Amino acid sequence: EVQLVESGGGLVQPGGSLRLSCGASGFNFRSYTLHWVRQAPGKGLEFVSGISGDGGSTYLANSVKGRFTISRDNSRNTLYLQMGGLRPEDTAVYYCARHKTSDGMDVWGPGTTVTVSS
Amino acid sequence: QSVLTQPPSASGTPGQRVSISCSGSRSNIGINFVYWYQQLSGAAPKLLIQRDNQRPSGVPDRFSGAKSGTSASLAISGLRSEDEADYYCAAWDDRLSIWVFGGGTKVTVL
Repeated sequence: EVQLVESGGGLVQPGGSLRLSCGASGFNFRSYTLHWVRQAPGKGLEFVSGISGDGGSTYLANSVKGRFTISRDNSRNTLYLQMGGLRPEDTAVYYCARHKTSDGMDVWGPGTTVTVSS
Repeated sequence: QSVLTQPPSASGTPGQRVSISCSGSRSNIGINFVYWYQQLSGAAPKLLIQRDNQRPSGVPDRFSGAKSGTSASLAISGLRSEDEADYYCAAWDDRLSIWVFGGGTKVTVL
């Protein structure tokens, strides 16, 4: 079964750090671009970051540039999001999603919740 | 403020047709494919329409997508109670070099 499962969310104080992981199974991991998309409570979807299959290209939303870093380990079929300098406005459910060429984000994980609060 | 503009809400009675608009610009919808996602309450988003107007396997043909210039639309015909959800349009933006989403449209089945 094709599956993505996020982990690593939790409660963190403003200014703190957190690393999210997204484990993949059931497909050829290195063939897919992967993304992080977040959704603040009661709000819409917001693209956070993306990384190409070989890790050579990355994309970051302006709202997280300089604070978040995306990476992947194709030997472990795992995607990461290193988050630093966290702010209350980073509070959201963080989803990982896979994407290939023009197919769109066709598989999503269930999400992991990040809460930034003192 | 989302880069793509959608109406916040839409509604219809069972069996009716509902249409949702998505307005963008040359750098996103104008030159790239539009995608639509359905998000049921408490669930992760699900890909509904790919490449402007194509349905992935398993998506009912009640859902259809269209695009003209810098605008796109999603139509739901034969509205059913299980279609009550939030719907988001998305496209790659060549100027921003990121994916951009609409603010979402909440569809209510009356």
